[in-house]
This record gives sequence, C-alpha cells and structure tokens, in this order.
Amino acid sequence: DAKTTQPPSMDCAEGRAANLPCNHSTISGNEYVYWYRQIHSQGPQYIIHGLKNNETNEMASLIITEDRKSSTLILPHATLRDTAVYYCIVRENAGNMLTFGGGTRLMVKP
Amino acid sequence: DVKVTQSSRYLVKRTGEKVFLECVQDMDHENMFWYRQDPGLGLRLIYFSYDVKMKEKGDIPEGYSVSREKKERFSLILESASTNQTSMYLCASRYEFRAFFGQGTRLTVV
Repeated sequence: DAKTTQPPSMDCAEGRAANLPCNHSTISGNEYVYWYRQIHSQGPQYIIHGLKNNETNEMASLIITEDRKSSTLILPHATLRDTAVYYCIVRENAGNMLTFGGGTRLMVKP
Repeated sequence: DVKVTQSSRYLVKRTGEKVFLECVQDMDHENMFWYRQDPGLGLRLIYFSYDVKMKEKGDIPEGYSVSREKKERFSLILESASTNQTSMYLCASRYEFRAFFGQGTRLTVV
C-alpha cells in the first residue's frame, strides 16, 4: 500500500470548514483513498473513500487531485464532536490489510 | 448498522496468564482484524483472518495467536501475558470498502 503523509495536528473553529490534507505521492492506479476517524476512547469510524472523482456523503467531502498524489477531507461545518484523530489510508480494494499511520489530530474549538 | 462487540471493555491480568480477547460481528463478514493501539505508535495490526480457520500475521504477531472457528467470532490469545502487552486492543470486521471497529478492550498486565 502507498504511504501517506498527514500533518500531526490541526485546529478549526466551530462552525467553520475543516480541511484535512493528505499526501500519497506513490499511489498506484488501483489504490483507493480512505478516511477514518477515531474519537477519544472509541474504535475508528469509516468516513468516506474515493478512487479518482470527488466524493460527498452525509459526513464529509473528499477532494482528490487530478494526479491523485494528494487529497483533502472537508468537514463543511465542524462541530465540537468532530474533534478526533483523522486517518488517511491508501489501499487496493482487494487488499485485506488496513494499515493506519499517525493521522491528524483535529481540535475543533468554540 | 453493523455491530462489532468485544467481550470486555477493561481487563486486568497477571504476568504469565493466558488471556483471551473475544470479538463477535453480526454481519457475516469474512474479514476480521485485531489491532493494538499505543500512545505515539498509532494502530498496529496484529493478525487478520479472511475466512474461518484462515489467518495471516500482521505487523506485530509476536506473543499473540488467534482463533477463527466460526465466521462471526475472532479471538485473540495472549499465550503468556507480559507487561509490554498492556495496551488498547481493537477488533474490526470488513466488508468491501468499509471496516467496522469494536469499542476496544483496555488490557492491563500487572
């Protein structure tokens, strides 16, 4: 699986958009970008995934650059409950392993 | 929604004891995983299973074994618990793009 690089921490004001970047410059053509988050004392939670096109669901939007070497997870109106560690993962759909890196600790502040 | 249930939220065991951590999922998923999570080290994969009686080593299998006798249940076994196995243990099951995690078991070995 391709390696990902994320900033270790970010702050965001409540109600504002949170934009979490992820670099994955060695991504291959059949690898997807996944995002999970882990709220304190809970197991990780799936947020969204994509291959080439931008994706949106009820939780977030995923913007993938045209060369697919980086992506951004967007929480459009961050709330205090979005404070968590966010993990960007790149892997083939057929792969069995799910490898988590360090993630980005997002702190949403009032 | 999918439920992944870990048998205990907190456990305290003595050094040298044999410890069983149980995980049950209710959605007939083939893929199940065991991770441990430690401060500063993130989530590390211990073992995973892609079918009944099938298992693969993850990144840190030493000191652990697993059992998958039924599809819904994946057990992690610490043959002889040691203090360096004090950690948060997370179980997950996966279907296609999404992984579902349990709430975690915080194990303390004294």
